[in-house]
Amino acid sequence: TQLLEQSPQFLSIQEGENLTVYCNSSSVFSSLQWYRQEPGEGPVLLVTVVTGGEVKKLKRLTFQFGDARKDSSLHITAAQPGDTGLYLCAGAVAGNNRKLIWGLGTSLAVNP
Amino acid sequence: NAGVTQTPKFQVLKTGQSMTLQCAQDMNHNSMYWYRQDPGMGLRLIYYSASEGTTDKGEVPNGYNVSRLNKREFSLRLESAAPSQTSVYFCASRGDYRGGEQYFGPGTRLTVT
Repeated sequence: TQLLEQSPQFLSIQEGENLTVYCNSSSVFSSLQWYRQEPGEGPVLLVTVVTGGEVKKLKRLTFQFGDARKDSSLHITAAQPGDTGLYLCAGAVAGNNRKLIWGLGTSLAVNP
Repeated sequence: NAGVTQTPKFQVLKTGQSMTLQCAQDMNHNSMYWYRQDPGMGLRLIYYSASEGTTDKGEVPNGYNVSRLNKREFSLRLESAAPSQTSVYFCASRGDYRGGEQYFGPGTRLTVT
């Protein structure tokens, strides 16, 4: 069974703090995606990384794909209350990128 | 451009009742998916369809059937609802390219009593 382990599961921080969310697996992925989900809505894509070692930045969010394409991290600098939500990572397995392997998610609360 | 639409938004069923969840996308995507999301269990794939006329089982297909009516529409049917099927159901679609993102609908919150 292919698994994507996300940590931490829950995170509650104060506005202005930095945080990192991790997504780890023993499987190799052809690409890895990060989504954010707000209450009552479906997940929305933040970024896709496809190359080992790749780093992508989206304003205060920095995403990194591991060199071996087995893990990824999401770093948020100076978190704001608008960053509150459920962050999900999802990996596409080589040869079958129609199906994604999903992590369980990290629930982030940023308090003003 | 509506993206992925789902109906209904909320539904309450009694055990044994049947219902169909509807999903449509206007992005001309070949691949469509049905997921359920439960606390502590994450998103679990029920069924998916790689193209019009084809469907395949996901992780948790028992108790569900699907129909890919045409390229736009993919429905999920519960023939005899059970309390274990209480969940939030999401439909998604995806374009056929490497790293293609999945676009999700707003979800259906189903309660089976």
